[in-house]
Amino acid sequence: EPEVTQTPSHQVTQMGQEVILRCVPISNHLYFYWYRQILGQKVEFLVSFYNNEISEKSEIFDDQFSVERPDGSNFTLKIRSTKLEDSAMYFCASNPAQLYEQYFGPGTRLTVT
Amino acid sequence: ILNVEQSPQSLHVQEGDSTNFTCSFPSSNFYALHWYRWETAKSPEALFVMTLNGDEKKKGRISATLNTKEGYSYLYIKGSQPEDSATYLCAPGTGNQFYFGTGTSLTVIP
Repeated sequence: EPEVTQTPSHQVTQMGQEVILRCVPISNHLYFYWYRQILGQKVEFLVSFYNNEISEKSEIFDDQFSVERPDGSNFTLKIRSTKLEDSAMYFCASNPAQLYEQYFGPGTRLTVT
Repeated sequence: ILNVEQSPQSLHVQEGDSTNFTCSFPSSNFYALHWYRWETAKSPEALFVMTLNGDEKKKGRISATLNTKEGYSYLYIKGSQPEDSATYLCAPGTGNQFYFGTGTSLTVIP
């Protein structure tokens, strides 16, 4: 069964460093999402992406964040200058169309020290 | 930001019991609502996507209803089994942006 994959599973970085989190969505899916969950808090929407552009983003998704689909298979989330409060589990998800079920990847745990 | 409330926060039931949980959300600007099941150390698994007022969806022993006018959705599990133990998340949304509740943690005792 096709699945969303994410790498790395755990990333440790120092404050101020740039990180890139990678996702490979399911191949025939057209909509892609990033979510995060800070430990003990709700899952939060970051951004949705369709047709090579951002379709919606939350207030969390400020200028420090960017997304890209560089090669037709990977979907990346870049954090330019990480802060301690960026420490969280980051989930990628995809679906074939709006109003379809979203398939989540296993997540990347980002730890900023 | 949509204020999404889920209740109860946690629930312990005996195997074989039926149970239900609630997801409440502001009814204005509603677009769709997702229900997910999230087991520890795994990623959220989609259960249902609901869009229309009065929608009812069913998957095996799990079903859900949606009332967009009053802003709530119920998830029902009939004849709970230990493998149903998980956190159940709802995520209503506007457009392509979804807001998650804190979830209901279900433990089914054998």
